[in-house]
Amino acid sequence: ETGVTQSPTHLIKTRGQQVTLRCSSQSGHNTVSWYQQALGQGPQFIFQYYREEENGRGNFPPRFSGLQFPNYSSELNVNALELDDSALYLCASSERTSPTQETQYFGPGTRLLVL
Amino acid sequence: AQTVTQSQPEMSVQEAETVTLSCTYDTSESDYYLFWYKQPPSRQMILVIRQEAYKQQNATENRFSVNFQKAAKSFSLKISDSQLGDAAMYFCASGGATNKLIFGTGTLLAVQP
Repeated sequence: ETGVTQSPTHLIKTRGQQVTLRCSSQSGHNTVSWYQQALGQGPQFIFQYYREEENGRGNFPPRFSGLQFPNYSSELNVNALELDDSALYLCASSERTSPTQETQYFGPGTRLLVL
Repeated sequence: AQTVTQSQPEMSVQEAETVTLSCTYDTSESDYYLFWYKQPPSRQMILVIRQEAYKQQNATENRFSVNFQKAAKSFSLKISDSQLGDAAMYFCASGGATNKLIFGTGTLLAVQP
């Protein structure tokens, strides 16, 4: 069984640029969630995708957007990067059987530094 | 709104001893579930244990067990026979019908040899 993978592992961008982060979900999982983890903090929910549709969004501006593909992999796009976007971005996949039965399994994360 | 509070920023335990990490939560959802995740320096968030709120029996996973007090909205993690590999940041999280996890700020656990 293949776990959740993310690419790249590290990324350095400058303010105002755009970035795309990628996530491959665990085999058999149809739901992907994205989280932002600032240094020394717990992860904060960005949004979730289920069957290629956004299914819930946290308190993040529209410049944070995403996609889910038919194979359930996902992308997180961030436009007009700001210094505060520097963080660890975590992807988690789960199998949607019923809303309260999901367990989310996390990837290793992408560390983004915005200069 | 859901909130999760971990009041212990850091904890320390001797190898082979037992340690308990505290977590309190608040949720308006009637059907929810609770998790403990471990995040070692490698950054990968690893599931330690899960508890469904409707279950009265406390979850156990080998050396890891929880004390779930629903009325008090408390969800503590007990690690027995602590090992050096248990050293990590531990996060308590809650989830429900909204399908998003709400995390606490974490407890950094050090294991002394």
